[in-house]
Amino acid sequence: NAGVTQTPKFQVLKTGQSMTLQCAQDMNHEYMSWYRQDPGMGLRLIHYSVGAGITDQGEVPNGYNVSRSTTEDFPLRLLSAAPSQTSVYFCASSLTAQGNGYTFGSGTRLTVV
Amino acid sequence: KQEVTQIPAALSVPEGENLVLNCSFTDSAIYNLQWFRQDPGKGLTSLLLIQSSQREQTSGRLNASLDKSSGRSTLYIAASQPGDSATYLCAVDRDDKIIFGKGTRLHILP
Repeated sequence: NAGVTQTPKFQVLKTGQSMTLQCAQDMNHEYMSWYRQDPGMGLRLIHYSVGAGITDQGEVPNGYNVSRSTTEDFPLRLLSAAPSQTSVYFCASSLTAQGNGYTFGSGTRLTVV
Repeated sequence: KQEVTQIPAALSVPEGENLVLNCSFTDSAIYNLQWFRQDPGKGLTSLLLIQSSQREQTSGRLNASLDKSSGRSTLYIAASQPGDSATYLCAVDRDDKIIFGKGTRLHILP
């Protein structure tokens, strides 16, 4: 099993550009989520999904969109990149929303200039 | 609102010592608690998962305990090695989301 796969691993964007961070899992997990990790702030939840067709906001959703059309994929879209979105982004999945433990991808390091 | 605190923020110990990392959380109504390891510039690797009905879990030199009533978990590392140097994160699972502590940065001195 590949687990949770994130692409790209590194990305540099100019302010105002848009892009999509990809996340895919092959474990048939119902639950998927996106986190950003910043120095001194820890990991903060951006958006999450408890199943295909269902998404909800986390702690820091502004500036990001998500959709979940399939069980396997959960892309994160930056609509108009800002320097404040410079961060490391992690995707995670779990069998269900409660009690099964989480598997993380290897992350995408994004720099907005 | 659930808050997760990890103390200390950083720790340096000589190789071979046994050590304890602490994690506390404010709301005891959790599904489980998970300990992760993160190496610099890398993703999160799951170490141990303790369900809310369990008191501890063990994997090799690692032992994690959970006391829900007091809102505390400890990660015990036996006979530490330089390869154990990393940041250790605890996370509690509740209400469709997991909340992370800010981690303990561990440095094992050769």
